[in-house]
Amino acid sequence: KAGVTQTPRYLIKTRGQQVTLSCSPISGHRSVSWYQQTPGQGLQFLFEYFSETQRNKGNFPGRFSGRQFSNSRSEMNVSTLELGDSALYLCASSLVTGAWADTQYFGPGTRLTVL
Amino acid sequence: EDQVTQSPEALRLQEGESSSLNCSYTVSGLRGLFWYRQDPGKGPEFLFTLYSAGEEKEKERLKATLTKKESFLHITAPKPEDSATYLCAVQVYGTSYGKLTFGQGTILTVHP
Repeated sequence: KAGVTQTPRYLIKTRGQQVTLSCSPISGHRSVSWYQQTPGQGLQFLFEYFSETQRNKGNFPGRFSGRQFSNSRSEMNVSTLELGDSALYLCASSLVTGAWADTQYFGPGTRLTVL
Repeated sequence: EDQVTQSPEALRLQEGESSSLNCSYTVSGLRGLFWYRQDPGKGPEFLFTLYSAGEEKEKERLKATLTKKESFLHITAPKPEDSATYLCAVQVYGTSYGKLTFGQGTILTVHP
């Protein structure tokens, strides 16, 4: 079974621009979560989508947004980029079984550099 | 607020020298605790999920255990290829859909 895929793998942008990152989950997985990873803050939760609905959101400004499509693929968008947005952006997918904590499987990440 | 603390921050071992990594957590209600391994520039790779105190899981040279306050990742006779950052994360009950709270990780280096 193919794993989680993310595109692009690397991205360089300048301050003020916007960026869209894409994530394709493992086949059959309907939940997609996004995380930001930086050396100083570690892995921080951005938001989670299930059945095209955002069910949860972390403590990030409104410049960070996302969406999920009917095939469970997800995109996240960052508008008005700041230098501090430079990070590894990770997407993770999981089954939603309801009873137990669902294991999240991560993609390789998109390395965003803001100049 | 849910908190996860990992120790030590870094650990250097000689090949074959067994040791343990610690993950302490303070949460409102634990739904599951996860261990991941992350190599530089890559996404975290899933290792184990633990659900309740007393539970243990093993995979090759790794064994994860869980108590009501902490989890340990025991590494037996490590090899250089075990060098990586090991991350611990928790999911809690309530409206925490899809949210894992991570510790800062332990950087493990195994010398031949």
